[in-house]
Amino acid sequence: DQQVKQNSPSLSVQEGRISILNCDYTNSMFDYFLWYKKYPAEGPTFLISISSIKDKNEDGRFTVFLNKSAKHLSLHIVPSQPGDSAVYFCAASDSNYQLIWGAGTKLIIKP
Amino acid sequence: DGGITQSPKYLFRKEGQNVTLSCEQNLNHDAMYWYRQDPGQGLRLIYYSQIVNDFQKGDIAEGYSVSREKKESFPLTVTSAQKNPTAFYLCASSTTGGKVPQHFGDGTRLSIL
Repeated sequence: DQQVKQNSPSLSVQEGRISILNCDYTNSMFDYFLWYKKYPAEGPTFLISISSIKDKNEDGRFTVFLNKSAKHLSLHIVPSQPGDSAVYFCAASDSNYQLIWGAGTKLIIKP
Repeated sequence: DGGITQSPKYLFRKEGQNVTLSCEQNLNHDAMYWYRQDPGQGLRLIYYSQIVNDFQKGDIAEGYSVSREKKESFPLTVTSAQKNPTAFYLCASSTTGGKVPQHFGDGTRLSIL
């Protein structure tokens, strides 16, 4: 039973346009959400996070939106750049701090 | 540069053999983690350690063992009891009180001969 789902295995976006990566969760006890980025043959790197008391967090070109009622979060990348091509993982944690990870979405930025 | 070093990058195991994956960090982080990644799945927690000489089982600890004798080192042993060990293994660390991983190593890919 997947508590964190990334339903799109891959996404292709034109350079300069907006990339939107989606993540759904089922556990209403999750109160902290994170996005990680992973290049091939490397470990994930932390990208951005959001607490459940907020509905938006922005860091440069990256913005994460949280819709608690829909149990949905999304990562927006504007504008998309070739270096953004990677696998993006969504992860969620509850008060026990154990992370539950999604399966990842492969983002491909087309020149 | 501070970071996490995992070795080896690729590892092959014969049936019935124990193998140990190395993880070393020079970030002075108290907490360290081991994750397993299988194709099409998210990372799953094997073991984690919040402090030296202490560690807890994660979701899939069966067939694995760890030790934390030094702050910098958190080796993972994949024992012969782990029936499906072929996977990509990631080590991670975080600062005191931060119980989600902040930094990851580049991983070790384990395959069965």
